[in-house]
Amino acid sequence: ELKVEQNPLFLSMQEGKNYTIYCNYSTTSDRLYWYRQDPGKSLESLFVLLSNGAVKQEGRLMASLDTKARLSTLHITAAVHDLSATYFCAVGPWKDSGYALNFGKGTSLLVTP
Amino acid sequence: GAVVSQHPSWVICKSGTSVKIECRSLDFQATTMFWYRQFPKQSLMLMATSNEGSKATYEQGVEKDKFLINHASLTLSTLTVTSAHPEDSSFYICSARESGLGPTFHFGNGTRLTVT
Repeated sequence: ELKVEQNPLFLSMQEGKNYTIYCNYSTTSDRLYWYRQDPGKSLESLFVLLSNGAVKQEGRLMASLDTKARLSTLHITAAVHDLSATYFCAVGPWKDSGYALNFGKGTSLLVTP
Repeated sequence: GAVVSQHPSWVICKSGTSVKIECRSLDFQATTMFWYRQFPKQSLMLMATSNEGSKATYEQGVEKDKFLINHASLTLSTLTVTSAHPEDSSFYICSARESGLGPTFHFGNGTRLTVT
């Protein structure tokens, strides 16, 4: 059974600080996805990481993938209040019908002044 | 960019009735769509994979007779919650997989179902 584990599950951080969210997964996968969800809303795609060593950055967020360690990180630099949301990582193992996504439990991020 | 339209956004129904949720890919063809269920402050749980022109593949523990999925065309999948009960109240999200590099998964805006 595929397991996708995120930590921490809850994160309260001050504006201006840096922090990293970790995503571990239990099966071989060469692609990993990060999404953001605001309360009551659906998912917004942040990053798609397609290979070992992939690193992508968008604004204050940077994601990386280590397929050998089965680990992805989402690094937050100089957090601002607008980043408050829940962040999910998802792994897409191959199934008979093609790739499907299995999600971690999510990290609820609150950025405070 | 690619958009997935999901309707309705919210629905309130009485216990015992059925509710249909539609998921459309607006500017791309999606041979495969997915249905997720999300309880408050929890993760998305994959319910089933919907394949155009064939039967859906349900995840373990999901009642196929209760959650009917139809994927009649390359742009439309529907989820019908039959004989709904209060415990079916949840946030349902559909996703369509776009072929190509990635692949890319696009998500609908979700449907908030409340069964009274």
